[in-house]
Amino acid sequence: DQQVKQNSPSLSVQEGRISILNCDYTNSMFDYFLWYKKYPAEGPTFLISISSIKDKNEDGRFTVFLNKSAKHLSLHIVPSQPGDSAVYFCAARRGNQGGKLIFGQGTELSVKP
Amino acid sequence: EAGVVQSPRYKIIEKKQPVAFWCNPISGHNTLYWYRQNLGQGPELLIRYENEEAVDDSQLPKDRFSAERLKGVDSTLKIQPAELGDSAVYLCASSLGGTGNTIYFGEGSWLTVV
Repeated sequence: DQQVKQNSPSLSVQEGRISILNCDYTNSMFDYFLWYKKYPAEGPTFLISISSIKDKNEDGRFTVFLNKSAKHLSLHIVPSQPGDSAVYFCAARRGNQGGKLIFGQGTELSVKP
Repeated sequence: EAGVVQSPRYKIIEKKQPVAFWCNPISGHNTLYWYRQNLGQGPELLIRYENEEAVDDSQLPKDRFSAERLKGVDSTLKIQPAELGDSAVYLCASSLGGTGNTIYFGEGSWLTVV
């Protein structure tokens, strides 16, 4: 049972344009969502998060949007840069399960110069 | 400040052999996690420690996997005997106590079982 899904395994975007990475979840008990970025041969690095009481969180070029009714969140990167090329994982957490994160399968973003 | 440190980075072993991974979390982080990441998938939690206590090991295959965090700081994850399907990246992570704190990952230990 895949509770967090990233249906696009890959995405290619031109430098300077917007990158939109999508994530869907099935468990309505999730109350906190995170995005991690992973370069090859490295561990995931925390990027940005959002609580379920909000619908938007912004940090520089990165914005996460949460649509609770649709059980959908997205990560927007504007403008995209070649250094953003990596695998992006969406993750979700239930407050009563401590720090246990449920990850999606990941989306590989390629930003072309 | 040093991040989460893991060793070895890479390990190739024959099936049925034992293997062990070591993790030193970020200083002051009392919560430690072991995740496993299979190729093309996201990480999956194996075990979570609060200090030296394993508070969630429901997804740890206990017939062949074991873990310990004796003094509530560093931790070891062992597989004995290893099977071909255990080939994966084993990620250690840590965080401060509490549900709202960011989880920081190490670079991972890449295991290949042949």
